[in-house]
This record gives sequence, C-alpha cells and structure tokens, in this order.
Amino acid sequence: GQNIDQPTEMTATEGAIVQINCTYQTSGFNGLFWYQQHAGEAPTFLSYNVLDGLEEKGRFSSFLSRSKGYSYLLLKELQMKDSASYLCAVREEGNNRLAFGKGNQVVVIP
Amino acid sequence: GAVVSQHPSRVICKSGTSVKIECRSLDFQATTMFWYRQFPKQSLMLMATSNEGSKATYEQGVEKDKFLINHASLTLSTLTVTSAHPEDSSFYICSATLTSGLSYEQYFGPGTRLTVT
Repeated sequence: GQNIDQPTEMTATEGAIVQINCTYQTSGFNGLFWYQQHAGEAPTFLSYNVLDGLEEKGRFSSFLSRSKGYSYLLLKELQMKDSASYLCAVREEGNNRLAFGKGNQVVVIP
Repeated sequence: GAVVSQHPSRVICKSGTSVKIECRSLDFQATTMFWYRQFPKQSLMLMATSNEGSKATYEQGVEKDKFLINHASLTLSTLTVTSAHPEDSSFYICSATLTSGLSYEQYFGPGTRLTVT
C-alpha cells in the first residue's frame, strides 16, 4: 500500500518563493509526480521525478530523495495565477496507478 | 500534447437513476484509462483501472456493480453510476496513458461534476 502526506494550506505573497513538501511510504516506487489543480478543474502535470535530485522547469522545480521518501515542489516568482492546489502522486512499480496526496492549497496574495 | 475529453461536464440527476460519463482520448490511443473520484477539499481517489477489451480492475471498497466501467475501444471508456444516491455526488475525473507501462504521464480529462438530488 501507499501512504502520502502533504501539509494542507499556505498563503504567500506575489513574487515570493514557496516550498511544498510531500512525504510518502510505498512498497514499490516508480516515480513521483506533481500536479497543479485549480478549483473545479482537472489536475495538470507539472513535473516528474524518478531519480534523486532536482528537476528544474522554469519557475517550478521538484526535488526527490528516494531514501527519505521525500519530495518538494518549489514555486518561484509567485504569480496570482499560481493560486491552486498542488498534489503529489506516487506511481506504483509495475503499473501506472497513481496514489495522490491530499494536496496543498496555495493562496497567493498581492 | 495529448488531449482527453469528458462528457458531460456537469450533470444533475435524481436519486435512483443512472448516469453515464464518457472519457475520450482525442488524439492518441489509450490502452489504459483510470477513473478517479474527488470530494470537496479531498484528494483524487482512484476508483478503477480500465483496460481496453478486458474487465476493469476496481480498487478496494469500490462497488463494481454500482460503478460500471466499459472500455470498448482504444479511445473511449465509460463510467456508469447506477442507482445514484446523494452520497455519489462528486467530481469524477478520468485519465489516460499513451501505452500501458511505458508512458510516465497520465493525461487527465476536465472532469464531470455529478450532483444527485
């Protein structure tokens, strides 16, 4: 089985940097995904990590430590449109099933 | 990029009736589609994995006779909520992968908001 934990909500100022953490426990790991979800909409893909280290993609970066069962998503130069829920999801080994965390609601204020 | 559509986007039905939700991959063939349910302020919960031409695999606690899944072609999977009750009101989201076991990304549909009165 899988257990994925994320903090629930944070508020940050436009232009700031926020870090969203995700810890997981899984019997078989085959990659970790970060998704952005605006209210009432489907998740959109942000990043994917399968090896340890940092993946950078524009204003968003994601880090993975497999030995610690830990990942974070870093959002830089926050914009108002970044107000959304950020979900981490772990993919199981051997198939494409994803187990999602509860998501972290980020509210960006002027 | 790969596009997945869902229909309808919103549906209101009366308790006891059945509702069918369609999930289509528009520009690629999806051997595997997934159905999720999301309650307000909750995460996505996987309901079932749908493989083209075979029976769906349901997650523990999901009633297969209540949530009927059909994956008749490589571009279409349907979820039918039978004898709907108010507690079935939720946001239903499907996703699709390009090829089973090889692609690392799931492409999500826009979701279907179901309200059962």
